[in-house]
Amino acid sequence: DIQMTQSPSSLSASVGDRVTITCQANHEISIYLNWYQQRPGKAPKLLIYEATNLETGVPARFSGSGSGTAFTFTISSLQPEDVATYFCQQYDNLPPLFGGGTKVDI
Amino acid sequence: EIQLLQSGGALVQPGGSLRLSCVASGFTFTSFAMNWVRQAPGKGLEWVSAISGSGETTYHADSVKGRFTISRDKSKNTLYLQMNSLRAEDTAIYYCAKSASSMMVVVVLDSWGQGTLVTVSS
Repeated sequence: DIQMTQSPSSLSASVGDRVTITCQANHEISIYLNWYQQRPGKAPKLLIYEATNLETGVPARFSGSGSGTAFTFTISSLQPEDVATYFCQQYDNLPPLFGGGTKVDI
Repeated sequence: EIQLLQSGGALVQPGGSLRLSCVASGFTFTSFAMNWVRQAPGKGLEWVSAISGSGETTYHADSVKGRFTISRDKSKNTLYLQMNSLRAEDTAIYYCAKSASSMMVVVVLDSWGQGTLVTVSS
């Protein structure tokens, strides 16, 4: 199975800060990488698919980059409603494993 | 509006069985693969099972293979997860999730149910 290493596991930042999360795959996965947001007590929500594509309706302050084995998720200007845990997920092959998550606090 | 309405979570004894349901609306049910994803208390996300749009192809994680079965009923727009031989480590919130494709291998989960809690304990 492909393993996904996500870092950091948690971070605290201020409103307006730029926040960056990384996800590393132990095998090449091309661009088959998604990012999800899970607010406390809620179901996950798709933010980014195929590494760089913004899901419809998601604010433009969220972005993704990378290919192959190294990927980055960025919030350009952190907002109070962005307090959540963020997960990466590969789907180059089955099973589609998730990263361990990054908890973002303000 | 796409909606996935889940039911079936409960407290069950080890070795017991349970069936989860997920009623879909707002999209053509047979055009998209469907998935189950679980989250143990305070833990991360674990993908469990997937089924193609046609229902002909399924895939299960090794942790549940031989014990869980995913299925779908197109006449009822409903996704199921039959869980047998339940263990304490199966305790989790279970989410149904819609794929963005009919193909089971394209696991882009663009809509999620509200989740249902399964607790396995004596």
